Amino acid sequence: DTAVSQTPKYLVTQMGNDKSIKCEQNLGHDTMYWYKQDSKKFLKIMFSYNNKELIINETVPNRFSPKSPDKAHLNLHINSLELGDSAVYFCASSQDLTGAVGTQYFGPGTRLLVL
Amino acid sequence: AQKITQTQPGMFVQEKEAVTLDCTYDTSDPSYGLFWYKQPSSGEMIFLIYQGSYDQQNATEGRYSLNFQKARKSANLVISASQLGDSAMYFCAMSNTGANSKLTFGKGITLSVRP
Repeated sequence: DTAVSQTPKYLVTQMGNDKSIKCEQNLGHDTMYWYKQDSKKFLKIMFSYNNKELIINETVPNRFSPKSPDKAHLNLHINSLELGDSAVYFCASSQDLTGAVGTQYFGPGTRLLVL
Repeated sequence: AQKITQTQPGMFVQEKEAVTLDCTYDTSDPSYGLFWYKQPSSGEMIFLIYQGSYDQQNATEGRYSLNFQKARKSANLVISASQLGDSAMYFCAMSNTGANSKLTFGKGITLSVRP
């Protein structure tokens, strides 16, 4: 069983479109995250949710809107896609916020290409 | 603010030899966590090892060990008996404590294992 899953794995779309990426974890974790990995492989946090509550919003443009319908799911919706949004988006989850139980487990990533 | 520094541009190691990947960090928090992740060419992020700032002993997980030197603010990853499958990008990361806990990543190091 996949612990943290993301769909789709690949997403190719035109500038200006709206798209969503879904994330689900079956680890029973309370906290979920979205990270962006740019073309230089640099990873940066975008959002975190703890028990469906937004905890971190790391100065991400408001075209990006996370939604957590329950603690096992954290989806990412992106409006009016721009060329600079092309990246790999990773979902992650952890049992708790800090310490060893704060270890984050990542999904396989969604490779987004905006044309 | 937290900062992770990985300055090695790329590392090569002969199969079956040991290799050390360097990581230094900076934080004003007395309590923090240090992590290493592996990203093979397939793209997934794989958790390798965790070290807590108050842990007295260096963490070990199979062939991975973390050489934690708190006074020098370094958290180097040691891979023993390198295998061809260890060829990947390796990221050092740290987390702070509290409700706003998040992972801050270094820029990564590419490791190539030679047969």
